[in-house]
Amino acid sequence: KQEVTQIPAALSVPEGENLVLNCSFTDSAIYNLQWFRQDPGKGLTSLLLIQSSQREQTSGRLNASLDKSSGRSTLYIAASQPGDSATYLCAPGYSTLTFGKGTMLLVSP
Amino acid sequence: GAVVSQHPSWVICKSGTSVKIECRSLDFQATTMFWYRQFPKQSLMLMATSNEGSKATYEQGVEKDKFLINHASLTLSTLTVTSAHPEDSSFYICSAGGGTGKNIQYFGAGTRLSVL
Repeated sequence: KQEVTQIPAALSVPEGENLVLNCSFTDSAIYNLQWFRQDPGKGLTSLLLIQSSQREQTSGRLNASLDKSSGRSTLYIAASQPGDSATYLCAPGYSTLTFGKGTMLLVSP
Repeated sequence: GAVVSQHPSWVICKSGTSVKIECRSLDFQATTMFWYRQFPKQSLMLMATSNEGSKATYEQGVEKDKFLINHASLTLSTLTVTSAHPEDSSFYICSAGGGTGKNIQYFGAGTRLSVL
């Protein structure tokens, strides 16, 4: 059974900092890995999708890397902004997605 | 593209009543739909997977007689919480697979259920 751990559980930083969110998973037999953003009381917004054959994906200030063999992924957020405040979820996928508990990020002005 | 609509976004009901939640893929055919539940400050937990025209596959510990899933068409799946009780209060999110991306799920906005 896939288990996903996200570290840290919560993070509070001033605006402008570069951030690294970590995700580890126990079963490396995955098709892909997605990073999502969830605002309080809302659904999920897909941020990045990395296929199992890829090492990283970039979208704007976001960069996600995947080391499938070691069961790790990181989400790098450059020049953080208050609007980045949300919970970030990683989900490795095979036939289904398994979610971590997320990292709750607060970026203060 | 790949928009999934979930309705209602919020529902309050009395204990003992049944609640139906709809999940629609608006611009693609969803061969598979997934239903998740999320309790406060917890991760999303998969409840069941449904394929169009066949019975849903429920995860261990999810009561299939309580959480009825119907996937009658390639664009619509419904989750009915039967005889809801306060402990069923949660955030329910659906996702749809299919579209142009293999093994990619597109998520609805979620439904917050509060059972009084």
